[in-house]
Amino acid sequence: KQEVTQIPAALSVPEGENLVLNCSFTDSAIYNLQWFRQDPGKGLTSLLLIQSSQREQTSGRLNASLDKSSGRSTLYIAASQPGDSATYLCAVNSGGSNYKLTFGKGTLLTVNP
Amino acid sequence: ETGVTQTPRHLVMGMTNKKSLKCEQHLGHNAMYWYKQSAKKPLELMFVYNFKEQTENNSVPSRFSPECPNSSHLFLHLHTLQPEDSALYLCASSQAVAGGRKTQYFGPGTRLLVL
Repeated sequence: KQEVTQIPAALSVPEGENLVLNCSFTDSAIYNLQWFRQDPGKGLTSLLLIQSSQREQTSGRLNASLDKSSGRSTLYIAASQPGDSATYLCAVNSGGSNYKLTFGKGTLLTVNP
Repeated sequence: ETGVTQTPRHLVMGMTNKKSLKCEQHLGHNAMYWYKQSAKKPLELMFVYNFKEQTENNSVPSRFSPECPNSSHLFLHLHTLQPEDSALYLCASSQAVAGGRKTQYFGPGTRLLVL
């Protein structure tokens, strides 16, 4: 059974700092991995999706990497801003289904002005 | 705005009440999902509908009853809930679940409190 762990559970940084969020998964036979952002009281917004054959994806100040063999992914946020404050969720698509996502509990990020 | 709307956004109900959550997607998708997000726990998939047919029931108690009258609308009927059912209920949609990986688009959720 796939399990996804995110470390740290919470992170507080000053504005402008570069930071890394970590995600690990127990079954390396994944099809893709996705990073989501969730603002308080709101739904999820997809940030980056990495296919199993890819090593990384970039979007603006965000860079997600994937090391499938070791069961790890990182989300790198450059030059953090207060507007980046949110919960960041990692989810993997694995198993025999092309739609089932297994989520981690998330990392609550606070960027202080 | 992701193109997926949910109503109501907040709901308080007693254990003997009957209520329904509604989800609507304007993306032309054919698959819709209900998720439950409890405090301190990961998102849990509850139900999946593909072309109005239920393809997944993740061992959800019968006090939760989904309904998908068409590909654009999804309901979750609630009755005799328990306080531990208090959570954020998220709806998502995607292209049809056959033929490759599909990105899911999430609604804002309904925050449910059961007293």
